[in-house]
Amino acid sequence: QVQLQESGPGLVKPSETLSLTCTVSGGSISSFYWSWIRQPPGKGLEWIGYIYYSGSTDYNPSLKSRVTLSVDTSKNQFSLKLSSVTAADTAVYYCARVTYTMPLFDYWGQGTLVTVSS
Amino acid sequence: EIVMTQSPATLSVSPGERATLSCRASQSVSSNLAWYQQKPGQAPRLLIFGASTRATGIPARFSGSGSGTEFTLTISSLQSEDFAVYYCQHYNNWPLTFGGGTKVEIK
Repeated sequence: QVQLQESGPGLVKPSETLSLTCTVSGGSISSFYWSWIRQPPGKGLEWIGYIYYSGSTDYNPSLKSRVTLSVDTSKNQFSLKLSSVTAADTAVYYCARVTYTMPLFDYWGQGTLVTVSS
Repeated sequence: EIVMTQSPATLSVSPGERATLSCRASQSVSSNLAWYQQKPGQAPRLLIFGASTRATGIPARFSGSGSGTEFTLTISSLQSEDFAVYYCQHYNNWPLTFGGGTKVEIK
């Protein structure tokens, strides 16, 4: 059974960079696309971007200028960096696996709350 | 970007009754539409893809229909574990977008 676990600081100061890592267990990170999705408190879901195990990426245009995704296949991990954060970036951040055949999300991490505040 | 609009925002239903949730796309997404269920403090769970195909392990009381811009998720007889928030998501092109959600609460 594939499991995903997000890790990283729960508090980030405004204008700084949010950094999270997702560790995949129970399966290989290879041959799949992986995504980050966020959910502001009490609100809906926003797709941030995806990364293929080979390193190719695509980002939501609304965040593209501030987002960088990377992958480390040796550690079975992929990561998110979001720069110049503001309070509007406060959210639960989920990592998820994209299904093999279509851009849906079949396995999710439990989510981690990141608060942007001084 | 395709905008997904869900209605109603909140649906109050008694256990055992039918619930009908709607999702509308701002332009055609063909049948490239999925539904997720999210319970408090949990990640979303994939219920339906291809507008009408149940994901693995999803009970038959969940059904999806529609194509183009209008979609419906029906829960035929609500069980206690079905009270949750439901999101639709299109995957017709990038960026992927979700609807704002429908909360199904106990009447």
